[in-house]
Amino acid sequence: EAGVTQFPSHSVIEKGQTVTLRCDPISGHDNLYWYRRVMGKEIKFLLHFVKESKQDESGMPNNRFLAERTGGTYSTLKVQPAELEDSGVYFCASSRKSEKAYEQYFGPGTRLTVT
Amino acid sequence: AQSVTQLDSQVPVFEEAPVELRCNYSSSVSVYLFWYVQYPNQGLQLLLKYLSGSTLVKGINGFEAEFNKSQTSFHLRKPSVHISDTAEYFCAVSEAGGAGSYQLTFGKGTKLSVIP
Repeated sequence: EAGVTQFPSHSVIEKGQTVTLRCDPISGHDNLYWYRRVMGKEIKFLLHFVKESKQDESGMPNNRFLAERTGGTYSTLKVQPAELEDSGVYFCASSRKSEKAYEQYFGPGTRLTVT
Repeated sequence: AQSVTQLDSQVPVFEEAPVELRCNYSSSVSVYLFWYVQYPNQGLQLLLKYLSGSTLVKGINGFEAEFNKSQTSFHLRKPSVHISDTAEYFCAVSEAGGAGSYQLTFGKGTKLSVIP
């Protein structure tokens, strides 16, 4: 089966611009997670979708971040307007609904650089 | 809430030598424990996991880890490393049976460099 894919692999934008990151989970995986790693720090949870519903968005840093998962398939994470501190690697992960729901499969990440 | 501490940010080791990457965690609830590996320009790959039962768990590529509840540790070991093991390793925890959400809490990662 195809793995989790993320697009783009790298994005460089200026402060104040908008960027949209996309994640395509493994087919049939109801759970979709977003994480972020800021340079030098640990990978941190942002939010969790179950199908199209936000189960937990407690890790979203502020209202400049908007995540969607229309139709319960792919997800987008929009940052508007981007700030310097938003730079980092954004990871997406997916898992099955029930059996082995704890086992998350990660994408390669999107490296976001805000200048 | 949980927290994870990886005590070593970088570990250099000679090829064919043994290695141990240390991980300690803190949690007020029961947790599942994981080790992930990230090779250059790739996503995180699950190495092994501890859910319950035997405290010694074996994973892919010859790695194993031992869960120690009293010391709240989950150290990763390999008896003989190869050049191809050069990567960054992440220890992570999630709440066991976590009400439908298994969000992971990660340590800062340990970069393993295998020296020829």
